[in-house]
Amino acid sequence: KNQVEQSPQSLIILEGKNCTLQCNYTVSPFSNLRWYKQDTGRGPVSLTIMTFSENTKSNGRYTATLDADTKQSSLHITASQLSDSASYICVVSVNGGSQGNLIFGKGTKLSVKP
Amino acid sequence: AAGVIQSPRHLIKEKRETATLKCYPIPRHDTVYWYQQGPGQDPQFLISFYEKMQSDKGSIPDRFSAQQFSDYHSELNMSSLELGDSALYFCASTSGLAGESGTGELFFGEGSRLTVL
Repeated sequence: KNQVEQSPQSLIILEGKNCTLQCNYTVSPFSNLRWYKQDTGRGPVSLTIMTFSENTKSNGRYTATLDADTKQSSLHITASQLSDSASYICVVSVNGGSQGNLIFGKGTKLSVKP
Repeated sequence: AAGVIQSPRHLIKEKRETATLKCYPIPRHDTVYWYQQGPGQDPQFLISFYEKMQSDKGSIPDRFSAQQFSDYHSELNMSSLELGDSALYFCASTSGLAGESGTGELFFGEGSRLTVL
């Protein structure tokens, strides 16, 4: 069964600190992996997209890694800001399948405190 | 830059009523996805369209129907509304199918919040 598991479920950090969010997937055939940031009540916004051949991709203070062998991805946030408080969702694209080709994780809810 | 436009942003309906949500994809995007997100839940895939044809179907109730029009906008029609239909409904658009090889950017709208009383 195609699944995307994220951890931790929630995380509280102090402003300025770094953090790493994890995403494990059992999706086949794998197409690409995306990280989204979703503010409460808003639409998800794309942070990064990675294909199986990419190991690391950065977008400002966000750095995503992908290990296609172990089927793991991480999202590292550097020097966190209050505006980083949101849910971070890992989404894996699959060729074919019955979920519109996108398998969503349940997200990690990040709270950045002053 | 133009984004995915959804309307209405908020909608309040009574049980057993009908509702229609609209989605206007980014220009030149030919693929639209509909998702339902309940409170504290991850988005659940409902249905998708590619080039005005249904491309995939997820957990969309039989009471719901959707279509993509010639201008690529899409409408989600919901009938006999139930309390459990209260959720945030997202539309996302891309060019081609998101599951194809490649890194086609998938853009989400801000969502339409449906409240069924």
